Amino acid sequence: EVQLVESGGGLVQPGRSLRLSCAASGFTFNDFGMHWVRQAPGKGLEWVSGMHWNGDAIGYADSVKGRFTISRDRTKTSLYLQMNSLISEDTALYYCAKGYTAYYSTGGVDVWGQGTMVTVSS
Amino acid sequence: QTVVTQEPSLSVSPGGTVTLTCGLTSGSVLTTFYPTWYQQTPGQAPRTLIYSTASRTNVRSSGVPDRFSGSILGNKAALTITEAQADDESDYYCMLYLGNFIWAFGGGTKLTVL
Repeated sequence: EVQLVESGGGLVQPGRSLRLSCAASGFTFNDFGMHWVRQAPGKGLEWVSGMHWNGDAIGYADSVKGRFTISRDRTKTSLYLQMNSLISEDTALYYCAKGYTAYYSTGGVDVWGQGTMVTVSS
Repeated sequence: QTVVTQEPSLSVSPGGTVTLTCGLTSGSVLTTFYPTWYQQTPGQAPRTLIYSTASRTNVRSSGVPDRFSGSILGNKAALTITEAQADDESDYYCMLYLGNFIWAFGGGTKLTVL
C-alpha cells in the first residue's frame, strides 16, 4: 500500500523557518515525481512545488518562490520542503503527494498524504 | 497571469447528471495541460478521480466508479457525474499543468446533491 506520512508542522513565528518531511513507502520512490500541495483553513487547494524523480526539474508557485525549497533523499525515500521567511499567508495544511510518472510535469497527483499543519503566527 | 477557473457551486438531483468544468482565464485547456480531478469531503485529504499523463488521457483512478468521467468540452476540461448519489456531495478541484514546470488548481466547485 502506498503511504505518505508528513511531519514537521507546527506553530512558528513570522519570519522564521520550518522544514517539512514526507516519508514514502509502498512504492519505488525513486521512480516518481513528487509534489507539495497546501490548503489554508477553509480555502481551496494550492499547488506549492514539484520535483522530477531525479531532481532535474523543480517548480514553485509564485507565492513561495525564493522562500521555499523542495528536495528529496533517495536513500531515505523521503521528500522535504524547507520553508524560510514564513508569513501568515503560509498557514495551511501541507500535503505531500505522489505523481503519476517520473516527471511531475506530465501528470498530476496520484496519492495524497494526510497532511501536516503549519501555523504562522506571533 | 493565467488563472484556472471552476464554477463555485453546482447542484444536482439524486440520479441526475452534472458536468463540472475547468477553464483558463486566457486560452483553451488541451490534453497537454494534463487535467486532473479531485474530490474532497470536509476533514479529509483529497481523492484523485480522473487523471491524464503524456500517454493516457482522462483515466479513472483505481476504485473510482464509472459514473465519473473526464473529457475536454470546447475549450475546457470537464468532469461529468452521472447517476448522482448523496455521497457525491463534496468539493471538486481540477488541476492543470500551465507549463514551465508549474501546476495550478482551480478554486473548486462545491457540489450539492438535492
